[in-house]
Amino acid sequence: GNSVTQMEGPVTLSEEAFLTINCTYTATGYPSLFWYVQYPGEGLQLLLKATKADDKGSNKGFEATYRKETTSFHLEKGSVQVSDSAVYFCALSEGSGNTGKLIFGQGTTLQVKP
Amino acid sequence: ETGVTQSPTHLIKTRGQQVTLRCSSQSGHNTVSWYQQALGQGPQFIFQYYREEENGRGNFPPRFSGLQFPNYSSELNVNALELDDSALYLCASSLEAGWGTGELFFGEGSRLTVL
Repeated sequence: GNSVTQMEGPVTLSEEAFLTINCTYTATGYPSLFWYVQYPGEGLQLLLKATKADDKGSNKGFEATYRKETTSFHLEKGSVQVSDSAVYFCALSEGSGNTGKLIFGQGTTLQVKP
Repeated sequence: ETGVTQSPTHLIKTRGQQVTLRCSSQSGHNTVSWYQQALGQGPQFIFQYYREEENGRGNFPPRFSGLQFPNYSSELNVNALELDDSALYLCASSLEAGWGTGELFFGEGSRLTVL
């Protein structure tokens, strides 16, 4: 079945460091790919998405490119801030017309120190 | 516009009991999905309701059931609680146009502890 694998955390960085959180997936068909973020004390929020191969999703300085050849959707940010400290989830859905079911990775905790 | 709200935020039950969790959708959203998030894991899809009918179900036993009301609010019911049901239960609302786009709007969750 479809699945998502993320790098294990926690990831601890200093402010202004470069961030990469790896995400790979296994899926049949042509899934859409997402990054969700969960800030402390809040619900999950959609951070960015890509719906087809080679698409780049971006938001709040974060980027991720849908790589079908490597089945990856790695999250990157050039300069992290303390306010980026959160849990990040990679997820896939099985395309339009489905039930809205998302398959999530296990999450990666990011801690940014001043 | 109000977001997704869930109640209660925390609750403790004993094995064998039944529990009902509640969710109010974001204004204008007609679809509700429920997810279970065990500690240290990603959310797992339980089921989705659209226009008061179940519209897809994950790999959860029948003792997990739900309802959606005409105002699009929803309940998750779990019967015969087991220790492994201890988790954060997340409700997410969306418009049907968001199906497949992943644009779900999540509440903060109800944390259930089963003793």
